[in-house]
Amino acid sequence: QVQLVQSGAEVKKPGASVKVSCKASGYTFTSYDINWVRQATGQGLEWMAWMNPNSGDTGYAQKFRGRVTMTRNTSISTAYMELSSLRSDDTAVYYCIKGLPRSPFDPWGQGTLVTVST
Amino acid sequence: DIQMTQSPSTLSASIGDRVTITCRASQTISSWLAWYQQKPGKAPKLLIYKASSLESGVPSRFSGSGSGTEFTLTISSLQPDDFATYYCQQYYSYSGTFGQGTKVEIK
Repeated sequence: QVQLVQSGAEVKKPGASVKVSCKASGYTFTSYDINWVRQATGQGLEWMAWMNPNSGDTGYAQKFRGRVTMTRNTSISTAYMELSSLRSDDTAVYYCIKGLPRSPFDPWGQGTLVTVST
Repeated sequence: DIQMTQSPSTLSASIGDRVTITCRASQTISSWLAWYQQKPGKAPKLLIYKASSLESGVPSRFSGSGSGTEFTLTISSLQPDDFATYYCQQYYSYSGTFGQGTKVEIK
């Protein structure tokens, strides 16, 4: 079945960077987009970024431009989201999701908790 | 960017109640709207796509309607498993923005 498995929880200091991985299985990795959405504790869902794994094309929410980078390794069907210059308000669960243009987000990865703390 | 506004933010209801949640887009999105259910500690689950299409395996008490800028999610008879937070999402543009969520609580 289609599955997205994310890397484990991270604890980072302010100003550092974090790189979260998302390994896809059960479908052709390069045929579907990967999106990233985050959710701070007790807060709503916030779309961050999109990537076409085939072309490498990306799109980023204006709020995160300059701080977020999406990459991929097609040989291992894995997408990566790197967020730099971390602040305490970047503490959140980060989700990767399989998608297509004009398609809902489904399925979702299990989420990766990133904690930014001194 | 397209903004999505959900109401109410919290809703208190009893088992068996009919529940309606509203979502408004800042510009027309045709029918490119999805509804998700999220329970604590879990990833969101897709309920409705294309504004009114029920995802496979989702109970028929859930329904969606609307097009353009105004949308609704209706639960015809609230069940214990339905107490959760619900989000709408537009996927008309590549930045799939979400509403702020509606928490359905036990009255």
